[in-house]
Amino acid sequence: GESVGLHLPTLSVQEGDNSIINCAYSNSASDYFIWYKQESGKGPQFIIDIRSNMDKRQGQRVTVLLNKTVKHLSLQIAATQPGDSAVYFCAENIGNQGGKLIFGQGTELSVKP
Amino acid sequence: GAGVSQSPSNKVTEKGKDVELRCDPISGHTALYWYRQSLGQGLEFLIYFQGNSAPDKSGLPSDRFSAERTGGSVSTLTIQRTQQEDSAVYLCASSLPVYSGNTIYFGEGSWLTVV
Repeated sequence: GESVGLHLPTLSVQEGDNSIINCAYSNSASDYFIWYKQESGKGPQFIIDIRSNMDKRQGQRVTVLLNKTVKHLSLQIAATQPGDSAVYFCAENIGNQGGKLIFGQGTELSVKP
Repeated sequence: GAGVSQSPSNKVTEKGKDVELRCDPISGHTALYWYRQSLGQGLEFLIYFQGNSAPDKSGLPSDRFSAERTGGSVSTLTIQRTQQEDSAVYLCASSLPVYSGNTIYFGEGSWLTVV
């Protein structure tokens, strides 16, 4: 199956700053994208999603941007808090493959108080 | 239930033994998914169910792995003759009927250690 690298990229930010986590996806047929947050020892938690007919979607303190031209997805977290420290995964759903999600490598976000 | 429930939460087994992992999806969710996550890595798709049928089993690593779902609800993932490389977190997820755009919610996982 799909696999990821052994070493997670790490992003370290100061509390109160904005965070931007980037993700490159692989398949131009992907039509739905999700960001998940995973804290140590827990399952992935849904944060926000976006469909391919959109290029931006906002939630509470989070914004997802989609650039289909370069197959790039980003998650912006405003006023980052210590509780935001976790590993963040992007996932893509390829339109003709049912509900199967393909996960990215993950980025570890560390927030310094 | 309120969320996806998985059991056992932790399992230590001896190499060569069989294990069964159980998943109870969110009530009303007809789609159910199994993923595997090795330490420090991303999630690897194993299989998904729509109702009791499994349209995509492409991620099952070998014929030692099987999954079933009966009654459109609870699913069991079975690993036969476990090997040390099977050690991982096995995550179950569920959603409303499978189509692109239905949010997929994950359980907390079953942590499997093969010694």
